[in-house]
Amino acid sequence: EPEVTQTPSHQVTQMGQEVILRCVPISNHLYFYWYRQILGQKVEFLVSFYNNEISEKSEIFDDQFSVERPDGSNFTLKIRSTKLEDSAMYFCASRTAGTGVDSPLHFGNGTRLTVT
Amino acid sequence: AQSVTQLDSQVPVFEEAPVELRCNYSSSVSVYLFWYVQYPNQGLQLLLKYLSGSTLVKGINGFEAEFNKSQTSFHLRKPSVHISDTAEYFCAVSPRTNAGKSTFGDGTTLTVKP
Repeated sequence: EPEVTQTPSHQVTQMGQEVILRCVPISNHLYFYWYRQILGQKVEFLVSFYNNEISEKSEIFDDQFSVERPDGSNFTLKIRSTKLEDSAMYFCASRTAGTGVDSPLHFGNGTRLTVT
Repeated sequence: AQSVTQLDSQVPVFEEAPVELRCNYSSSVSVYLFWYVQYPNQGLQLLLKYLSGSTLVKGINGFEAEFNKSQTSFHLRKPSVHISDTAEYFCAVSPRTNAGKSTFGDGTTLTVKP
């Protein structure tokens, strides 16, 4: 069964550094998402991406964050200047259709980001 | 806006016993409802979803959930649990007009003891 793959599984970075989290969504999917889960807290929506542009973003997704689909297969989340509070598990997800839920979200295994 | 409340943060249960994980939600719009499972160091796997129709939904691994519109609940049940069911379980809702944007509950840790 096709999977959403995320790399790396664990990233350690120093405060103030830029970090790029990478995701390869399922190949025929059209909608892409990033979610975040701070340790011990709930999973939170960050951003959705469709047709090469952000379709929606949460309050969390401030100017420090950006997303990109650079080559038609990868989907990246960049944090320009990391803060301690950015430490979390970041999940990439994708789905095929629009409003129909015949295509639910498919999540990757996540990247654990640790900011020191 | 939507919100999800999972009423139990931890549920310990013995193997082969039945279990119910409770979820209530609130929303000003029509929603879809989901249960996900997260095993240690893994991603979120969809257990089951409620879209419309029959209020009793069957999912993978022998789990089922019942949608109760009047009580705005979507409780997850399994008649007989296994050690391998030990995991974190998340209830989630998404607006029907924006199905990819899910709001999650805090999660319930199910621990199955031998």
